[in-house]
Amino acid sequence: AIQLTQSPSSLSASVRDRVTITCRASQNIFSALAWYQLKPGNAPKLLIFDASTLQRGVPSRFSGSGSGTDFTLTISSLQPEDFATYYCQQFNSYPQTFGQGTRLEIK
Amino acid sequence: EVQLVESRGGLVQPGGSLRLSCEASGFTFRDHAMTWVRQAPGKGLEWVSAISGGGTTYYADSVQGRFTVSRDNFRNTLYLQMDSLRVGDTAVYYCARDCYYDSSGPGWFDPWGQGALVTVSS
Repeated sequence: AIQLTQSPSSLSASVRDRVTITCRASQNIFSALAWYQLKPGNAPKLLIFDASTLQRGVPSRFSGSGSGTDFTLTISSLQPEDFATYYCQQFNSYPQTFGQGTRLEIK
Repeated sequence: EVQLVESRGGLVQPGGSLRLSCEASGFTFRDHAMTWVRQAPGKGLEWVSAISGGGTTYYADSVQGRFTVSRDNFRNTLYLQMDSLRVGDTAVYYCARDCYYDSSGPGWFDPWGQGALVTVSS
């Protein structure tokens, strides 16, 4: 199975900060990567698919980049509602896999 | 509105069985693969199983041989039959629509159901 490694595992930041989360795949997954936001008590929310395509309704401060094995999720100016846990997911092949998550906390 | 509504989970003894369902509305169900993902307490997201629009099934190694995914394209409903349950299967189980460009998957997931808590304990 393809392994996804996210870094950092946790991150403290302030409102209006720019933050970047990385996701590294154990093999080439082309652009078959998605990012999700998860808040306690809520279902995961799709942010980005195909590595860099913003899901409809997601604020433009979120962006994704990368291809092959190295990917990033960037939040250009953190807002209070962005403090959550973020996961990457590969859909290049079954079994689909998720990264271990990055917890974004308020500094 | 595209919506997925899951059945309630429950408390099951180790070795027991439980079936989850997920009713879909607002889209052409048979045109999409569907998937199950779970989150154990304090842990991350784990992909569990998927089924293509035509019924091809896929499983994580951790549930292979114990869980069975199925779908009824007339009732627009996805199912997950869970047998030989273990304490380690305790989790919130989510169903989700696979958004790949055809019904074969695999793709990204949107939307997700509200989640069903399954607790395996004696």
